[in-house]
Amino acid sequence: NAGVTQTPKFQVLKTGQSMTLQCAQDMNHEYMSWYRQDPGMGLRLIHYSVGAGITDQGEVPNGYNVSRSTTEDFPLRLLSAAPSQTSVYFCASRPGLPGGELFFGEGSRLTVL
Amino acid sequence: TQLLEQSPQFLSIQEGENLTVYCNSSSVFSSLQWYRQEPGEGPVLLVTVVTGGEVKKLKRLTFQFGDARKDSSLHITAAQPGDTGLYLCGGNYGQNFVFGPGTRLSVLP
Repeated sequence: NAGVTQTPKFQVLKTGQSMTLQCAQDMNHEYMSWYRQDPGMGLRLIHYSVGAGITDQGEVPNGYNVSRSTTEDFPLRLLSAAPSQTSVYFCASRPGLPGGELFFGEGSRLTVL
Repeated sequence: TQLLEQSPQFLSIQEGENLTVYCNSSSVFSSLQWYRQEPGEGPVLLVTVVTGGEVKKLKRLTFQFGDARKDSSLHITAAQPGDTGLYLCGGNYGQNFVFGPGTRLSVLP
């Protein structure tokens, strides 16, 4: 049972570098999302997608890009990393209907120096 | 200012004690969910409450949704070290699913 798989689990970047966090789910879920988790702030929504080809911004989208070319994959791109993007990132998915259970990956810890 | 507030932020108790944590908002939610997150893992759903005034029990955990659907509480009876973790409440706000900042619970043996 793979569920939601995130890679890499850990990454260190220098300011200005770019990278992509990968997220894949094998549950045929329509809805996928990216959150960042910072101490005392809980989980804040970065971007989400309600289906292939459809993406939208969440609470804190600046500095991040996403695309959704397939139902399974939802990568998160940092084009020019900044120290403020140091965080733990979680990908989550659920079936299309709002109010359903969110299934989370194990997280990706990103440090930007 | 976050849409969902949680209190307390931290709680450390002895095994066997009872506790209640709270999730509050000034907005009405169609439903609220509670998740528990352990270190190094993603959050896992505990319960969804949908109807105002609803009470749901999950073994030693009791969840309540406020009558006005703006708040929820989680009560744990006879806490055990295995209950240690970060408890998050969350709900749909438009197309977004938003979370509170969480209550970090530590149950000492």
